[in-house]
Amino acid sequence: DAKTTQPPSMDCAEGRAANLPCNHSTISGNEYVYWYRQIHSQGPQYIIHGLKNNETNEMASLIITEDRKSSTLILPHATLRDTAVYYCIVRVGGGSEKLVFGKGTKLTVNP
Amino acid sequence: EAGVTQFPSHSVIEKGQTVTLRCDPISGHDNLYWYRRVMGKEIKFLLHFVKESKQDESGMPNNRFLAERTGGTYSTLKVQPAELEDSGVYFCASSQVGWAPSYEQYFGPGTRLTVT
Repeated sequence: DAKTTQPPSMDCAEGRAANLPCNHSTISGNEYVYWYRQIHSQGPQYIIHGLKNNETNEMASLIITEDRKSSTLILPHATLRDTAVYYCIVRVGGGSEKLVFGKGTKLTVNP
Repeated sequence: EAGVTQFPSHSVIEKGQTVTLRCDPISGHDNLYWYRRVMGKEIKFLLHFVKESKQDESGMPNNRFLAERTGGTYSTLKVQPAELEDSGVYFCASSQVGWAPSYEQYFGPGTRLTVT
């Protein structure tokens, strides 16, 4: 079972920041928070990951609370192409471990 | 660099027939995974290869599913005989071996399987 809890859906206006929350209250000290997204019928796409520090890349920012029990994925300027299902996954870092997907958050970016 | 490719993109077969799905991972990626999403459900892990060896096949639903990865390159997933509940999208992913948080999994576009 997925170790995370996410809202089933969210809306965001185009050009505004999209803030997607995730609860992972049982996260272990050696587990990372990963975010993937699935745009329509494409394969899931990696976005970002973090352990305890905030992270930023060209796609998004990841804010992890100090107790690491929750995090927020931020898309700073959402576009219509960001409409997708976003998955928050906790796992031990490294490429070898399988991904356990929950239901994710369906983000709809509106014009 | 080519991404993960999957073939066919879509397959429609009748119940009881056999179907073989193929996945070509990113060159140099020794980890290869199969996942699937059946209607209305979450994406579920099926199995994991490291090179040609099955590392974890705990997600394989039953013995009608057979995965192979001869030579540690491409992989095939055979469903024989197919049942209606096998309909869904089958994803393949690959990643580098080794412990590094940045070794994320790269997914292919998926094969949509429809069993009628």
